[in-house]
Amino acid sequence: AQSVSQHNHHVILSEAASLELGCNYSYGGTVNLFWYVQYPGQHLQLLLKYFSGDPLVKGIKGFEAEFIKSKFSFNLRKPSVQWSDTAEYFCAVKWGAQKLVFGQGTRLTINP
Amino acid sequence: KAGVTQTPRYLIKTRGQQVTLSCSPISGHRSVSWYQQTPGQGLQFLFEYFSETQRNKGNFPGRFSGRQFSNSRSEMNVSTLELGDSALYLCASSLEGSGYEQYFGPGTRLTVT
Repeated sequence: AQSVSQHNHHVILSEAASLELGCNYSYGGTVNLFWYVQYPGQHLQLLLKYFSGDPLVKGIKGFEAEFIKSKFSFNLRKPSVQWSDTAEYFCAVKWGAQKLVFGQGTRLTINP
Repeated sequence: KAGVTQTPRYLIKTRGQQVTLSCSPISGHRSVSWYQQTPGQGLQFLFEYFSETQRNKGNFPGRFSGRQFSNSRSEMNVSTLELGDSALYLCASSLEGSGYEQYFGPGTRLTVT
């Protein structure tokens, strides 16, 4: 069955630290990959997406993600986090015309 | 451009009752997807509609149903409510489908007692 794993359930960092959140999915084929973010009290919104082409994609607010096909991974990175990055982050994968599958989410807490 | 709206925002129902939730997508968006969000299960896909046709359905019992109208507005219905149906129900709209950027609404918080 299709599944998406986010291994970090809760990550706590200090401001200016570097961030990497892991996302792995169950098997290959043609995939569309997404990272969504939910800031406290706000709606889920798209951070970035990968459909094809350059496996390193850049999103809003300085976030980027790298698609590594051989590892079925799409990890999210940011070189220097800010307090305002405190949020819950969701990885999501769509295989062809199948349903979109979300990971369990990673809660990120940034201490000032 | 107005965002995705969901009504009602909060709902308290009793076991055995049924409930209908409504979602109005962003103007021009033809795709509406529904998700159930709970602390234990995360975001679970319920269904996706595109131009009034159900494209995909998640692994939920038949008590969960949905539909989309010609103006792209969508409703989902849950019959014979169970305590485990307590959750935040999110609606998302998109121009072409869930494989593209989706815009999420604020959700309807359903509590079943």
